[in-house]
Parts: sequence; structure tokens; C-alpha cells
Amino acid sequence: EAGVAQSPRYKIIEKRQSVAFWCNPISGHATLYWYQQILGQGPKLLIQFQNNGVVDDSQLPKDRFSAERLKGVDSTLKIQPAKLEDSAVYLCASSPTSGALNQPQHFGDGTRLSIL
Amino acid sequence: ILNVEQSPQSLHVQEGDSTNFTCSFPSSNFYALHWYRWETAKSPEALFVMTLNGDEKKKGRISATLNTKEGYSYLYIKGSQPEDSATYLCAPILTGGGNKLTFGTGTQLKVEL
Repeated sequence: EAGVAQSPRYKIIEKRQSVAFWCNPISGHATLYWYQQILGQGPKLLIQFQNNGVVDDSQLPKDRFSAERLKGVDSTLKIQPAKLEDSAVYLCASSPTSGALNQPQHFGDGTRLSIL
Repeated sequence: ILNVEQSPQSLHVQEGDSTNFTCSFPSSNFYALHWYRWETAKSPEALFVMTLNGDEKKKGRISATLNTKEGYSYLYIKGSQPEDSATYLCAPILTGGGNKLTFGTGTQLKVEL
């Protein structure tokens, strides 16, 4: 099966600019996650979707970050405006269901964002 | 905030050496624990999902154990190979912690020839 697809792989922008990331999960996976991994730290969940509804966005900085999952398939994560501390790897993951926490998550290759 | 600790932070071993890492987490309200391997420039890959106290799982030369009562898991690699070089991440799930993965900072393993 095809894996989780993310684009772009790398992005360099200046602070205060906007940026968007795209994710296409594994076909049929109902749950989609966006994680932020800052250098030296573990990945941190930003937002979790079940189909096209938000399950958890408690750690999403909503003043600058937004995410959507139209039609319950692809998702985009946007940052506007970017700050220096947003430099990180942004990972998208998917899993077949939300309630089955004993199922592994399938990750994309990530987008490495650098803010100048 | 859920406190997940992994040790050591980094490890250099020679090819053929066996090694192990530790993941420590709060023992109360345990639900499951995930282990992932993350190679540079690739996507994190699931190794194990463990749920029961005393669980032991094995995948090739890699195995893991789980002690939910004392709040730790060990990951073992037997006969390390250069292709095992990666960051190994653990992520417990606690009920009441939002039912989500909380990742540790990882153990970075480098296997040298």
C-alpha cells in the first residue's frame, strides 16, 4: 500500500511569512495527525482529525496555526505568520481508527521548516 | 504534562555489539506504549505497540519488554548493524492524558563498522 505522502520536504521562509503543508494519508485511514518535532525534543501532537472532524487540537497555537481536512482525506496545516520558534519538522501520520490506540501510526517523511 | 524519559540520549556502538535503551513513564493510568524507529531523512517506522504488563515483543534482532507497574520499557538490539543507526522513540498513552501519544526525546543510536 502507498504510504503517507507529505509535501514539501523542505521549506525556508522568513519570519512573519506564511507557509502551508500538505498531507495525503494512507487510503482508508480515518484518523490523521499532525505533529511538530523541534530539534532535541520528541514529536508533539498539534491536531488530530477523525474523518473531517477535529478530535484534539489542545496543543495547536490557534493564533497562528490552522489545519483542515476537507472531505476527510487530505489535510493542510498552515502557519500565519511564522515565528522563529516554528522551525521544526512537521510530521503527518494516519491510522485506521481513532479509538484503537493499540494500533501503530503510519508516518510521512515530514516537512523540515526553517524560519530565517 | 506527561513526563517521558528516554536514556541514554545517544549511544555509539560497534557492529556486532548488543545494546539496550530505557523508556520511563508514569505508571498510573497506563493504556499502551509505542516504540518507533526514525532514520535520518526517512519517516518514523512503528516497531512495537505494547499493552500488557510483562509483555515481550520481538522483530528480528530487536525486542522490547514492558513493566507497567514500575513504569518502564526496555528496547534491546542484538548484534547491532550499521542499518540499525537511527533515533528510537517511545510514546506511552495514558488514559486521562488525552488518549494521545506523548513522545520521549529519543535515543540516538550510531552503529560503527
